[in-house]
Amino acid sequence: GESVGLHLPTLSVQEGDNSIINCAYSNSASDYFIWYKQESGKGPQFIIDIRSNMDKRQGQRVTVLLNKTVKHLSLQIAATQPGDSAVYFCAENSGGYQKVTFGTGTKLQVIP
Amino acid sequence: EAGVVQSPRYKIIEKKQPVAFWCNPISGHNTLYWYRQNLGQGPELLIRYENEEAVDDSQLPKDRFSAERLKGVDSTLKIQPAELGDSAVYLCASSSQPGLASSGTDTQYFGPGTRLTVL
Repeated sequence: GESVGLHLPTLSVQEGDNSIINCAYSNSASDYFIWYKQESGKGPQFIIDIRSNMDKRQGQRVTVLLNKTVKHLSLQIAATQPGDSAVYFCAENSGGYQKVTFGTGTKLQVIP
Repeated sequence: EAGVVQSPRYKIIEKKQPVAFWCNPISGHNTLYWYRQNLGQGPELLIRYENEEAVDDSQLPKDRFSAERLKGVDSTLKIQPAELGDSAVYLCASSSQPGLASSGTDTQYFGPGTRLTVL
């Protein structure tokens, strides 16, 4: 079936460096994508989203890039901080209003 | 503003026992979701409510799982009887009506979850 998945299960980054977390999706009908951050013992927290009619969207220290040709989504975190350590999930909305499917997740470890 | 509240935070039970989880969404949010999250995986939707109506329960194992949102505010998810494979974190989320949000899909706000361990 259709799925959303991540390339790397764990990413280690030096504090201050930029982080890039990747996600591949297979449902070409997906029209909306979201990145969530989940810290240990907490629920997922919305970071940034992007619609399929956009290629790039920027937030505070975060940028999401969407490449529909290869069905690839990435989250870039600038100047990674220890507080960025968490599991990051990409999610897609393709089944109509509010039907969001989550990927497996990538664990980001920030090395002080 | 208070976020999504869930209780209990942790629950340990023996298999075949019943268990219930409670969720109070953000005030004014009419959409409520229950998700199950297995270790190392993303959340999987179990059921979605629009006010008091369950509009998507296709992934809810109805032989042992049930949910209710009688007054369209807080909600309860029940498992009876619990099985070993039910061990997971059960997350509740809420969102408001779509409207002027740029994405057309309102952000879901998650609670901290209930970690269930079935022995």
